Amino acid sequence: DIQMTQSPSSLSASVGDRVTITCRASQGISNYLAWYQQKPGKVPKLLIYAASTLQSGAPSRFSGSGSGTDFTLTISSLQPEDVANYYCQKYNSDPWTFGQGTKVEIK
Amino acid sequence: QVQLVESGGGVVQPGRSLRLSCAASGFTFSRHGMHWVRQAPGKGLEWVAVIAYDGSIQWYADSVKGRFTISRDNSKHTLYMQMNSLRAEDTAVYYCAKEKGEGYNSESYFDYWGQGTLVTVSS
Repeated sequence: DIQMTQSPSSLSASVGDRVTITCRASQGISNYLAWYQQKPGKVPKLLIYAASTLQSGAPSRFSGSGSGTDFTLTISSLQPEDVANYYCQKYNSDPWTFGQGTKVEIK
Repeated sequence: QVQLVESGGGVVQPGRSLRLSCAASGFTFSRHGMHWVRQAPGKGLEWVAVIAYDGSIQWYADSVKGRFTISRDNSKHTLYMQMNSLRAEDTAVYYCAKEKGEGYNSESYFDYWGQGTLVTVSS
């Protein structure tokens, strides 16, 4: 099975900072990569699909890039409401594996 | 609007069974693949199982294969998960999630999630 590895596992940044989270697949998955945001105590929410397409309603400060095995999620200007866990997920084939998550906090 | 409402969670002893349900509304249920995803307390998301839009295909995570069975009743707009031989490590919030695309398609990421139902396996 393809493994999904996120880094870092947690980060702390200041409001307004640019934040980057990476996700690496153990084998190529083309662009079948989604990012989800899960705020504390809430349900996961789709942020980005097809590696770089922003889900309707998601703030434009979020962007995704990558293809094959290496992907990034970028928050261009971190806001207090972005405090959350972020998960990447492959969806090209069974199993629909998630990364282990990245916890984003405000410094 | 799309709604997914899980039910059936609770406290169960190791080795026993439980059946979860997910009632869907606000979209054409019979056109979309459906998934179960779980999250152990304080842990990350773990994909559990998927069933095709017509119920013809199911896939499972290795951790539940042979113990859990996903099914659906399109006439009742409901997704199910039969969980047998439960273990302590199955303790988690179980979410149902809807695929974005219809039929067999490449848009199999999750555009809607339910609120989750907590399953606790403990003696």
